Amino acid sequence: DAKTTQPNSMESNEEEPVHLPCNHSTISGTDYIHWYRQLPSQGPEYVIHGLTSNVNNRMASLAIAEDRKSSTLILHRATLRDAAVYYCILRGNYGGATNKLIFGTGTLLAVQP
Amino acid sequence: GAGVSQSPRYKVAKRGQDVALRCDPISGHVSLFWYQQALGQGPEFLTYFQNEAQLDKSGLPSDRFFAERPEGSVSTLKIQRTQQEDSAVYLCASSPRLAGGTGELFFGEGSRLTVL
Repeated sequence: DAKTTQPNSMESNEEEPVHLPCNHSTISGTDYIHWYRQLPSQGPEYVIHGLTSNVNNRMASLAIAEDRKSSTLILHRATLRDAAVYYCILRGNYGGATNKLIFGTGTLLAVQP
Repeated sequence: GAGVSQSPRYKVAKRGQDVALRCDPISGHVSLFWYQQALGQGPEFLTYFQNEAQLDKSGLPSDRFFAERPEGSVSTLKIQRTQQEDSAVYLCASSPRLAGGTGELFFGEGSRLTVL
């Protein structure tokens, strides 16, 4: 499975935008880019995913580089409740038994009031 | 609620005891995953079920770990002769999709196991 590289930690101020980077230089053509986040003492929570085009949903936006070797999760206005570990994960679309998410160590986002 | 439910939320076991952790996935979800999360680390894959079939158990760390999902709904993760290194949060996730890269996984809150 292709690996991702994320900064260990980032800080943001409340109500400001946050850009969380992820490098995935060995991504394959069929790998989807998924983002999950994990709030303290909770299980991971799906945020967004994409393949080639930028994606928007109610939680965040995902900007994918043209060569797909990097992506950025964008939180448009950070709140204190966005403080969490954010995981960038590549997931193949094999249509078979290999269907798992491989988590790294993620980026710990701290949001200051 | 209608989310993934795990029990017990907390379990303390003495070294050498057997433990069983239960996962109730979202109704109708065909895919079920177990993950192990050590303190300060990301979740690590243990095993995957498609309905009642265990299609991938490559992440189970030893033969002391056993998982089942006999009727394709509720799953149990059993750890025999627990060791201190088994202390972790065990997460269960389910998905309505059979396979593929686009499906969202829904995680439970986890079962925190402490082995003394």
